[in-house]
Amino acid sequence: AQSVTQLGSHVSVSEGALVLLRCNYSSSVPPYLFWYVQYPNQGLQLLLKYTSAATLVKGINGFEAEFKKSETSFHLTKPSAHMSDAAEYFCAVSDRNYGGSQGNLIFGKGTKLSVKP
Amino acid sequence: KAGVTQTPRYLIKTRGQQVTLSCSPISGHRSVSWYQQTPGQGLQFLFEYFSETQRNKGNFPGRFSGRQFSNSRSEMNVSTLELGDSALYLCASSPRGGPYNEQFFGPGTRLTVL
Repeated sequence: AQSVTQLGSHVSVSEGALVLLRCNYSSSVPPYLFWYVQYPNQGLQLLLKYTSAATLVKGINGFEAEFKKSETSFHLTKPSAHMSDAAEYFCAVSDRNYGGSQGNLIFGKGTKLSVKP
Repeated sequence: KAGVTQTPRYLIKTRGQQVTLSCSPISGHRSVSWYQQTPGQGLQFLFEYFSETQRNKGNFPGRFSGRQFSNSRSEMNVSTLELGDSALYLCASSPRGGPYNEQFFGPGTRLTVL
């Protein structure tokens, strides 16, 4: 069964600093991986997704993630943090079997990002 | 296009009652999924509906049920509410569902069980 581990429930960075949010996955089939962001009192918004094309995936708001099969990782980065990036970030893997149609998401526990001025 | 809408946004119920939550997907989307979000368990998948049929189900008791109508709108019902059912319930829609299709989330319904 697929699973996702996010290292660090809270990450704090200074404005302008590098943002690095860690995600490791476990999957018995080639994974489809996603990063979502959740602002307070809102639903989830997709930042980016990996579906076995390019290993470096660029998303919205300047975020990108690199799929590393050897490390089973899909870490999220942004070169320079903005105050508006403060939110909770969720890594997710699509729960599927080969040829399966199901695509429900299995989420990590989330990482709350704080940005200090 | 309008996004995913969920009603009501907030709900307060007492133990033993039942509740129905509603979700209207993005126009043209045929797959609707429901998730429960709690501080302790995080985001957990409840079920997915596609063309009025439940296609996938998570590990929740039978008190949690859902349905989808011909216009793709979906409802979920929780009977005999327990304190532990207090959570944010999120609905997500997708054009066809499936493992690589993006899911678009609504703002959620915050359910409080007293």
